[in-house]
Amino acid sequence: DAGITQSPRHKVTETGTPVTLRCHQTENHRYMYWYRQDPGHGLRLIHYSYGVKDTDKGEVSDGYSVSRSKTEDFLLTLESATSSQTSVYFCAISGQTSQETQYFGPGTRLLVL
Amino acid sequence: SQQGEEDPQALSIQEGENATMNCSYKTSINNLQWYRQNSGRGLVHLILIRSNEREKHSGRLRVTLDTSKKSSSLLITASRAADTASYFCAIGNSGGSNYKLTFGKGTLLTVNP
Repeated sequence: DAGITQSPRHKVTETGTPVTLRCHQTENHRYMYWYRQDPGHGLRLIHYSYGVKDTDKGEVSDGYSVSRSKTEDFLLTLESATSSQTSVYFCAISGQTSQETQYFGPGTRLLVL
Repeated sequence: SQQGEEDPQALSIQEGENATMNCSYKTSINNLQWYRQNSGRGLVHLILIRSNEREKHSGRLRVTLDTSKKSSSLLITASRAADTASYFCAIGNSGGSNYKLTFGKGTLLTVNP
């Protein structure tokens, strides 16, 4: 998975609790992305980063925040988890030679009860 | 947002047969990419075709792009059981300041031994 790890890989949490997912890369790629994957929706972009401390919103950013304090880590936080945020979350990176091709992590399965 | 739509949603073939998947989109693009996802795994980049290209090959994969019809097709020749996966097209656009990919909902390919 191109030197990308996600943690945790599985998480069960309760509605209203904060949750932080971590994406770590060892590839020194400039761009990092968070997607969610849901049946019937494909992959949807939540937030992305184009450099340390530089982030922007994607298509479905409500209820999520991100931070990138160093090149290798991109954190996704659900401030107060809701059942609608039950999903599989994928991190992706790009940009070592080209921004265009993205490399994906293994995913995090999140269940919000 | 610019989302590709894959067709068919599901495809079941016998080993050795060819598999063809299609992707349609609505507005102009910089490029179009195809990704594969094995069950429970992250997406893997297969091939990228630029808006000024009409056809591209990579091993058993052949991708075509018709910008006048706003459509692309992915052909997998001499399929194998290991090709069983979901296949996604992704539209690449440099809207605003950063390049982004927008994924379709995917085609589930089953190759029966």
